Amino acid sequence: EAGVTQFPSHSVIEKGQTVTLRCDPISGHDNLYWYRRVMGKEIKFLLHFVKESKQDESGMPNNRFLAERTGGTYSTLKVQPAELEDSGVYFCASSPSWGVGFYNSPLHFGNGTRLTVT
Amino acid sequence: DAKTTQPTSMDCAEGRAANLPCNHSTISGNEYVYWYRQIHSQGPQYIIHGLKNNETNEMASLIITEDRKSSTLILPHATLRDTAVYYCIVREAAGNKLTFGGGTRVLVKP
Repeated sequence: EAGVTQFPSHSVIEKGQTVTLRCDPISGHDNLYWYRRVMGKEIKFLLHFVKESKQDESGMPNNRFLAERTGGTYSTLKVQPAELEDSGVYFCASSPSWGVGFYNSPLHFGNGTRLTVT
Repeated sequence: DAKTTQPTSMDCAEGRAANLPCNHSTISGNEYVYWYRQIHSQGPQYIIHGLKNNETNEMASLIITEDRKSSTLILPHATLRDTAVYYCIVREAAGNKLTFGGGTRVLVKP
């Protein structure tokens, strides 16, 4: 079984540019999450999709961040325009079905996209 | 904020058992304890989780106290590849997310 894959693994952009990160969850996983770690800080939750719907986006820092999951499969996270403080590692995770057993199902993380804004 | 407290760091001898403590005194009755680790440059890796009973899998054992206010992750025979930051997380029943704290930085020494 393929794990969670993220693309690109690294991205270096200039302040003001746009970057789009992609996440492919484990096949069949309804739940998809975005997290990030900025320099020196702890890993923080950004948002949670159940299939194509945003279940919780309380962690999104501001409206420069836009996450989508069209068709309930892969997801993209767009940062537009990027700022210096957006630099960090962005992780995607997925877990099986929403509903019964949700809290008893671990999240599986990808290896992240390292974003550097210069 | 994270609902757990862990030591900042600990060393362990290769081949010996590593016992990683975690306090979660405010845990609710339906909240699970999850353990993840992050090896440098990789994403968080799931290790084990439990609710009330002790759990064991191919990676580790999880011992949860009877009052559920603390737990211990046991790596039975630590190897150099177990060097990582280990996160103890209470998965809150009221929300959807895992809340990561600072974790314990474990260094396995030869």
